[in-house]
Amino acid sequence: EPEVTQTPSHQVTQMGQEVILRCVPISNHLYFYWYRQILGQKVEFLVSFYNNEISEKSEIFDDQFSVERPDGSNFTLKIRSTKLEDSAMYFCASEPAGGRETQYFGPGTRLLVL
Amino acid sequence: QKEVEQNSGPLSVPEGAIASLNCTYSDRGSQSFFWYRQYSGKSPELIMSIYSNGDKEDGRFTAQLNKASQYVSLLIRDSQPSDSATYLCAGSASYGKLTFGQGTILTVHP
Repeated sequence: EPEVTQTPSHQVTQMGQEVILRCVPISNHLYFYWYRQILGQKVEFLVSFYNNEISEKSEIFDDQFSVERPDGSNFTLKIRSTKLEDSAMYFCASEPAGGRETQYFGPGTRLLVL
Repeated sequence: QKEVEQNSGPLSVPEGAIASLNCTYSDRGSQSFFWYRQYSGKSPELIMSIYSNGDKEDGRFTAQLNKASQYVSLLIRDSQPSDSATYLCAGSASYGKLTFGQGTILTVHP
């Protein structure tokens, strides 16, 4: 069964460093998302992406964040200058055409900013 | 602020019992609702989606939606210890953005 994959599974970085989190959505899915979950808190929407454009972004998704689909398979989230409060689990999700928001989540990347 | 609220529990039921999980939402524009299961340290796993008022059954799971009351529920019949997890309710009103509740911790004890 097709799955969303994410790399790396864990990333430790120093405050102020740039990180890139990578996702390979399910083939033929058209809608892509990033969410994050700070330990013990709710899953929070960051950004949605369709047709090579951002569809919607949350207040969390400020100028330090960017997303890209550099080729036909990868979907990346970049944090330019990490802060301590960026420490969280980051989930990528994808949705098929006509999926009515039925999103399938990847296993996540645990980011720790020191 | 558009919210999804869940009774955080924890909810403890004996094996074989029915577990009832509840969720309310504040955004009347929400059209689609989802139940996800999340094991500790893992990603959300989709269990059910529901879009219309009424009940939707899938195996041991039944989702219920009442848009007039802005209420969504999930019933798990014949609960098993492997059902022990955090259950997340989520709603969507626009562009696929899911708004999640804080989750209900369910423990099924043998």
